[in-house]
Amino acid sequence: DVKVTQSSRYLVKRTGEKVFLECVQDMDHENMFWYRQDPGLGLRLIYFSYDVKMKEKGDIPEGYSVSREKKERFSLILESASTNQTSMYLCASSLLRQGNPNSPLHFGNGTRLTVT
Amino acid sequence: DAKTTQPNSMESNEEEPVHLPCNHSTISGTDYIHWYRQLPSQGPEYVIHGLTSNVNNRMASLAIAEDRKSSTLILHRATLRDAAVYYCIFYHNNDMRFGAGTRLTVKP
Repeated sequence: DVKVTQSSRYLVKRTGEKVFLECVQDMDHENMFWYRQDPGLGLRLIYFSYDVKMKEKGDIPEGYSVSREKKERFSLILESASTNQTSMYLCASSLLRQGNPNSPLHFGNGTRLTVT
Repeated sequence: DAKTTQPNSMESNEEEPVHLPCNHSTISGTDYIHWYRQLPSQGPEYVIHGLTSNVNNRMASLAIAEDRKSSTLILHRATLRDAAVYYCIFYHNNDMRFGAGTRLTVKP
């Protein structure tokens, strides 16, 4: 089975700190995604990446950046954490290139980040 | 913005069929429709996907309208373990955007 592992289940950070959320997948997937999930808003796409060193903005990229230096790892970076970034963060991956939409997304179990 | 529309919540009785609707009027001819569900305290998990024809797997069935502007996820016999939030999305290029989903409650 595909495994998507997020480095922390729970994280508490202070306002202004730089925060790194790490995600690793073990199935050689090209595509990786970062979402945040908030009550009543569902999952919102922050960034995605379809190859090493490639990144695309999702719906809510402001305040975030990403890094994809290796195929299996996709990092989400909060340059200066703010309280409105308190949320559940979900990473996903898929074996997918344009024109091959049959592969499902595989999600990690999330990192619940609290910014105080 | 999410490109699909689903009811916020639905209820079902245990062991009865459940039909979860989704509207996706802006879907293009080559976009696949995917369904995921999210159990409490877990990340979403894949349920089923399709393009034009109805699809069946061990978890559910997917009925796609002829004009492809809507689809229905069918759970043939709901169990308490099917209580979750169900998301309908369609896949465009490498971009998967989720809406708020439907929260399914299953009553014993």
